[in-house]
Amino acid sequence: EVQLVESGGGLVQPGGSLRLSCAASGFIFSNYWMSWVRQAPGKGLEWVANIKQDGSERYCVDSVKGRFTISRDNAKNSLFLQMNSLRGEDTAVYYCARHLSSGLDYWGQGTLVTVSS
Amino acid sequence: QSALTQPASVSGSPGQSITISCTGTSSDIGTYNYVSWYQHHPGKAPKLMIYDVNNRPSGVSDRFSGSKSGNTASLTISGLQAEDETDYYCSSLTSRTLTYVFGTGTKVTVL
Repeated sequence: EVQLVESGGGLVQPGGSLRLSCAASGFIFSNYWMSWVRQAPGKGLEWVANIKQDGSERYCVDSVKGRFTISRDNAKNSLFLQMNSLRGEDTAVYYCARHLSSGLDYWGQGTLVTVSS
Repeated sequence: QSALTQPASVSGSPGQSITISCTGTSSDIGTYNYVSWYQHHPGKAPKLMIYDVNNRPSGVSDRFSGSKSGNTASLTISGLQAEDETDYYCSSLTSRTLTYVFGTGTKVTVL
């Protein structure tokens, strides 16, 4: 059974940092593109970043460029999102998800990040 | 990146068919056959309903179908059921950043 489990969310002050993790199981992690998607309270879904199977290509949305970094450890079946210089508008539930071509076919349950003083 | 444009709400009676539109630009929907649709019940993880414009993942009902014309993609739900009432989002690859952009979301109501 495919499972994605996020962790690392919490309350952080503006300007602070957090590292989100996503533990994958039930599939060959190294065979898939992976993504992070977020949903701010009362808002729609927003694609944050994605990464190729071997980590050689990474892309992110303009609003997080220079602040967030997506990475992966295929040996540990894990996906990461390093978030620096956090802002109030980064407050959201963050999901990791697996790609099925252009779609995301499996999602974690999400981890809440709250940026507030 | 600007979000793709979806109607805020669409409604229909049980058994009817409804169509949700998703309008983008020549930099996203108009360029790529990489449009996906998601069903999202609040508080739960989104569910992939359609990928690459018109492909259904295993286990998704054939009542759901996708299409594209120019810069606009569409999701059609046939034989509308009460369980279909929730939020739906489209997404597309965008050439400017080579990442993906979601639509604004559509709330489907079953009358």
